[in-house]
Amino acid sequence: QKEVEQDPGPLSVPEGAIVSLNCTYSNSAFQYFMWYRQYSRKGPELLMYTYSSGNKEDGRFTAQVDKSSKYISLFIRDSQPSDSATYLCAMSARGGAQKLVFGQGTRLTINP
Amino acid sequence: DAGVTQSPTHLIKTRGQQVTLRCSPKSGHDTVSWYQQALGQGPQFIFQYYEEEERQRGNFPDRFSGHQFPNYSSELNVNALLLGDSALYLCASSLTGYTDTQYFGPGTRLTVL
Repeated sequence: QKEVEQDPGPLSVPEGAIVSLNCTYSNSAFQYFMWYRQYSRKGPELLMYTYSSGNKEDGRFTAQVDKSSKYISLFIRDSQPSDSATYLCAMSARGGAQKLVFGQGTRLTINP
Repeated sequence: DAGVTQSPTHLIKTRGQQVTLRCSPKSGHDTVSWYQQALGQGPQFIFQYYEEEERQRGNFPDRFSGHQFPNYSSELNVNALLLGDSALYLCASSLTGYTDTQYFGPGTRLTVL
């Protein structure tokens, strides 16, 4: 069993829809949670970085962490075609330079 | 502020050859981590360098080795290339002692024929 599970999709939604992306994990030591966006053949770009349980909002993006359920989510409001990319969840035990464990990535397409 | 840079962008090698990939960290960062991302998969941690020494290592064979220079830049070397080594190799930089996360470069795409 993988430490981090993420549905690879693909996920296709119309422009303006609310998108929900999720990951589950098995290692209770994880305390730092990240979402990266990766366009085709490019490096991952950090979207959200959260510590422990709770919500964090940044513009159209909201990250949620539920450590009791070992479940994290990323919500995208008012989705745009430019949001079409692969979204990777990642997590680590101590943050900072600690190695990151990634999910497989969810491929998302926003249709105009 | 310069971000993480990697070279070359693309590389084609044949089985059995050796390859060297290079990374310059984000300005102010002192730690470099390397990840391998196979097509359709998430990145997998290879190893990390800090103060010119390997500090952490993932589940990769000894064919994968690295180096960090006094200016914090780093190299990843892969010997005896296998077809399965074809992947996007990502470098990430961070600052040890701080909880800020890692920032990734654009990657080097390696194709082994």
